[in-house]
Amino acid sequence: QSALTQPPSASGSPGQSVTISCTGTSSDVGSYTSVSWYQQHPGKAPKLMIYDVGQRPSGVPDRFSGSKSGNTAYLTVSGLQGEDEADYYCSSYAGGYTLVFGGGTKLSVL
Amino acid sequence: EVQLLESGGGLVQPGGSLRLSCAASGFTFSNHVMNWVRQAPGKGLEWVSSISASGLHTYYADSVRGRFTISRDNSKNTLDLQMSSLGADDTATYFCAKDYRGTVPDAFDLWGQGTTVIVS
Repeated sequence: QSALTQPPSASGSPGQSVTISCTGTSSDVGSYTSVSWYQQHPGKAPKLMIYDVGQRPSGVPDRFSGSKSGNTAYLTVSGLQGEDEADYYCSSYAGGYTLVFGGGTKLSVL
Repeated sequence: EVQLLESGGGLVQPGGSLRLSCAASGFTFSNHVMNWVRQAPGKGLEWVSSISASGLHTYYADSVRGRFTISRDNSKNTLDLQMSSLGADDTATYFCAKDYRGTVPDAFDLWGQGTTVIVS
């Protein structure tokens, strides 16, 4: 149950796009489509932004999109807005009814 | 209102025990896998445990297996986490989270506000 690997930080200017990576292994990200992304503002609970690699829950802006290639998943935030500044975590089903999170990426909107 | 409300956190001595609870409302509790996720101060999220919709099957992270027990009461819409042999590494905010599907721990679409456990 090793954590998925995310860059500690990412940044972009308002209106720009930024992509955050999430690297796992063939035992988790590479084997399942159950990859999710969460947004967490300071002192708040996480919020589901993407599930099943690229699906958005109702209410999540279409500026947020997800994809996967091999053992790496990606979250892209387009048209960056100030409210997007937050921590982002990926997660993946890892088999055996277990789940693993990434270490988190702090997104700054410059 | 659709919500999860955790309780039971607090200060506990090393080696001690604590029981966390989560009260669910606004959705059909018995249809969903339920989970506990924790976050140590200044750190990332860590999946702790999951329980099947029926309550018959339970799953744990290696870091807590043998020390923590997850359970649920579908008649009362409650989820519990019994924690024992607590150590400093267990200090964290513990979140109750609902899985959006009813099969495996997958995508958590509803979270509680969290309850804080301090082992010291």
